[in-house]
Amino acid sequence: TAGITQAPTSQILAAGRSMTLRCTQDMRHNAMYWYRQDLGLGLRLIHYSNTAGTTGKGEVPDGYSVSRANTDDFPLTLASAVPSQTSVYFCASSDSGSGGTDTQYFGPGTRLTVL
Amino acid sequence: GQNIDQPTEMTATEGAIVQINCTYQTSGFNGLFWYQQHAGEAPTFLSYNVLDGLEEKGRFSSFLSRSKGYSYLLLKELQMKDSASYLCAATDSNYQLIWGAGTKLIIKP
Repeated sequence: TAGITQAPTSQILAAGRSMTLRCTQDMRHNAMYWYRQDLGLGLRLIHYSNTAGTTGKGEVPDGYSVSRANTDDFPLTLASAVPSQTSVYFCASSDSGSGGTDTQYFGPGTRLTVL
Repeated sequence: GQNIDQPTEMTATEGAIVQINCTYQTSGFNGLFWYQQHAGEAPTFLSYNVLDGLEEKGRFSSFLSRSKGYSYLLLKELQMKDSASYLCAATDSNYQLIWGAGTKLIIKP
């Protein structure tokens, strides 16, 4: 079944450590996104990529970096984790690079706790 | 600023009808999405409206009024499995989605 996978499912991380959240899609979608979801708040866009080789900043990019070396993979890196980055992280993809008018398909999420 | 408002929580009875409202303010507008999210799971697509009017899809319908900045999701013949959060999201002029905090729908027998 086609879809998006994320790894790890959950992680506890010490503050100051670095970590990469992995995201892979097999739908050959051009656009990919990283969101964080916190209780009482809507999904907030961290970074996005409209096509392989390009990335852009979303609403809350500070403390995060991404790369898009190929169509399928879109890793999210926390260089030096802080407790405020405790959240559930969702990766998503959509068919075209026109962004918001295409349906976004979400991965199962990574629950990250920074202590 | 950009803003999406929807009720935090609603309760309804199995077999009944419920309407979840969403109002939005965005810089530009390129359509409105509704997603369903069960607890601990990923959001899944329900509907997309870009023109005014009602879109019906089985037990679920979604309505849009662009002039009022208003949408609603209508769920008919409620089932226990409809207990979930319903997320409203509007597309702004940069084609990015602005998300509401979600409405938690509780279905009682």
